[in-house]
Amino acid sequence: EPEVTQTPSHQVTQMGQEVILRCVPISNHLYFYWYRQILGQKVEFLVSFYNNEISEKSEIFDDQFSVERPDGSNFTLKIRSTKLEDSAMYFCASRTGLTGANVLTFGAGSRLTVL
Amino acid sequence: KQEVTQIPAALSVPEGENLVLNCSFTDSAIYNLQWFRQDPGKGLTSLLLIQSSQREQTSGRLNASLDKSSGRSTLYIAASQPGDSATYLCAVRGDNNNDMRFGAGTRLTVKP
Repeated sequence: EPEVTQTPSHQVTQMGQEVILRCVPISNHLYFYWYRQILGQKVEFLVSFYNNEISEKSEIFDDQFSVERPDGSNFTLKIRSTKLEDSAMYFCASRTGLTGANVLTFGAGSRLTVL
Repeated sequence: KQEVTQIPAALSVPEGENLVLNCSFTDSAIYNLQWFRQDPGKGLTSLLLIQSSQREQTSGRLNASLDKSSGRSTLYIAASQPGDSATYLCAVRGDNNNDMRFGAGTRLTVKP
């Protein structure tokens, strides 16, 4: 069964460092997402991406965050200068965009620990 | 702004029991609703997706219902097993946006 693949599975970084989290969505999917889940809290929407641009973003997705789809397969989330409160599990997700077949498929997540 | 609430927050049942998990949402203008399972420290596994025009979906021992007008969905698990122990998340996608809003989840423990 097709999967959304995320790397790294766990990253530890120092506060103020830049971090890039990578995702390979399912190949025929058109919509891509990043969500995060702080330990013990709700899964929160960060950003959605369609047709090579951001279609929606939440109030969490401030200027420190950016997304890219540089080569037609990878979908990356960059955090420019990490803060302690960025420690969370980051999930990438994708869906086809076809009517009636809009199951959102998630990756296994990247755990980010900011020290 | 869509708010999704799940009750109860935690549930413990003996093996073999049938159980119901509840999800409510404040804005009934939804496009679809999806139930997920999350094991500790792991990703989200999709269980069932219900389109706004549908009333229920079934997969094996799972049945999810949707009452859009009252802003409610239930996930029914029949003949629960210890392997069903996980957190169950409900997520709603609105008519006018692309993202899904999640509830906080119900942590289910099925005791052997």
